[in-house]
Amino acid sequence: DAGVIQSPRHEVTEMGQEVTLRCKPISGHNSLFWYRQTMMRGLELLIYFNNNVPIDDSGMPEDRFSAKMPNASFSTLKIQPSEPRDSAVYFCASSSRPAPNYGYTFGSGTRLTVV
Amino acid sequence: AQSVAQPEDQVNVAEGNPLTVKCTYSVSGNPYLFWYVQYPNRGLQFLLKYITGDNLVKGSYGFEAEFNKSQTSFHLKKPSALVSDSALYFCAVRDIGGNTPLVFGKGTRLSVIA
Repeated sequence: DAGVIQSPRHEVTEMGQEVTLRCKPISGHNSLFWYRQTMMRGLELLIYFNNNVPIDDSGMPEDRFSAKMPNASFSTLKIQPSEPRDSAVYFCASSSRPAPNYGYTFGSGTRLTVV
Repeated sequence: AQSVAQPEDQVNVAEGNPLTVKCTYSVSGNPYLFWYVQYPNRGLQFLLKYITGDNLVKGSYGFEAEFNKSQTSFHLKKPSALVSDSALYFCAVRDIGGNTPLVFGKGTRLSVIA
């Protein structure tokens, strides 16, 4: 299995532009999580899906952030418009079920820089 | 609410010496506990987990962790550190009774010096 695949690996964009991050979870996993990592705040959960349905988006910082999961093999995180404070590494993770004893498999992340 | 504390931002240890990375947690019920490691420019990788049973859990790369319910701790240990163990380590917790995502600590950067 190729693991959780995120694209792009790096993204540099200008303030005000729309940014779309992509994630392909492991086949058969039915829970998907979007995290943001910064030096100041550590690893923050933004939103998670079970069976393609958003369960909790309380971690999404503002209305500028949105996430979708149109099918079991694909999810996007969109920022529109982007701001310099959105600069961070964004991780996608998937899990085989929402049961408590299952850990997560993380992608390699997308490093976003907004200038 | 669930929470995890990693009291040390940075741990330095000489190669060959034992290492400990500390973690304490707070949950309303019984916990599921995890350790993950992150190498530079990589995602988090699973190291080990405590679900139930023996309080001493063995994981990848020679790491182990001890669950201590009375102290609400789950410290990560290794008897002899390697330079290649240098990385960022995250502790995570979830309440057994809940169906909520893992809550991660802020991470501890381990530096093993040759």
